[in-house]
Amino acid sequence: GQNIDQPTEMTATEGAIVQINCTYQTSGFNGLFWYQQHAGEAPTFLSYNVLDGLEEKGRFSSFLSRSKGYSYLLLKELQMKDSASYLCAVRDQFSGGYNKLIFGAGTRLAVHP
Amino acid sequence: DTEVTQTPKHLVMGMTNKKSLKCEQHMGHRAMYWYKQKAKKPPELMFVYSYEKLSINESVPSRFSPECPNSSLLNLHLHALQPEDSALYLCASSQAGSGYTFGSGTRLTVV
Repeated sequence: GQNIDQPTEMTATEGAIVQINCTYQTSGFNGLFWYQQHAGEAPTFLSYNVLDGLEEKGRFSSFLSRSKGYSYLLLKELQMKDSASYLCAVRDQFSGGYNKLIFGAGTRLAVHP
Repeated sequence: DTEVTQTPKHLVMGMTNKKSLKCEQHMGHRAMYWYKQKAKKPPELMFVYSYEKLSINESVPSRFSPECPNSSLLNLHLHALQPEDSALYLCASSQAGSGYTFGSGTRLTVV
């Protein structure tokens, strides 16, 4: 079966650091994505991990451990505009080369002054 | 061009209407997707097109009919929808080894 778990809601203070965790169990694995989505808008790409380790991109970093089925998104120097939903998504690879992106339920992050 | 363009941005339709959602990308991506997203829920995959052929249909009701006229265009034809079909419909595209690029979506209301 396919299962992607992440916390439903988190709160943090402006200027702080927050870590959003994601655990997954999927029939196949061909990469893990993090997307940011503001209410009523389309998801925007933040990061992609396919190998174990840390990927850093400005204020955002993402970590992957394939053996543990675990990833996290780290947001530093939080700003009010970072208040959004953060979606963890796994690309599942099917035979024949077709693949699909499976989303977790998303984590709603509220940043307070 | 690094965008996926969706039209219209908003659509209100009656249950007896026929309408179409359109999606266009010029990044050369050979896979295109339709997702449906209800409020406060994650996007749910509906259809996957790979090299202009339908490769995945996630048991979507036949009142939703996808079409891929060429490698840059993806349509979703709507007919006899129900109020519970009201949602944000997202189009996305991808290429092997790259991330998925989402369009800004069409917010559909069925009355």
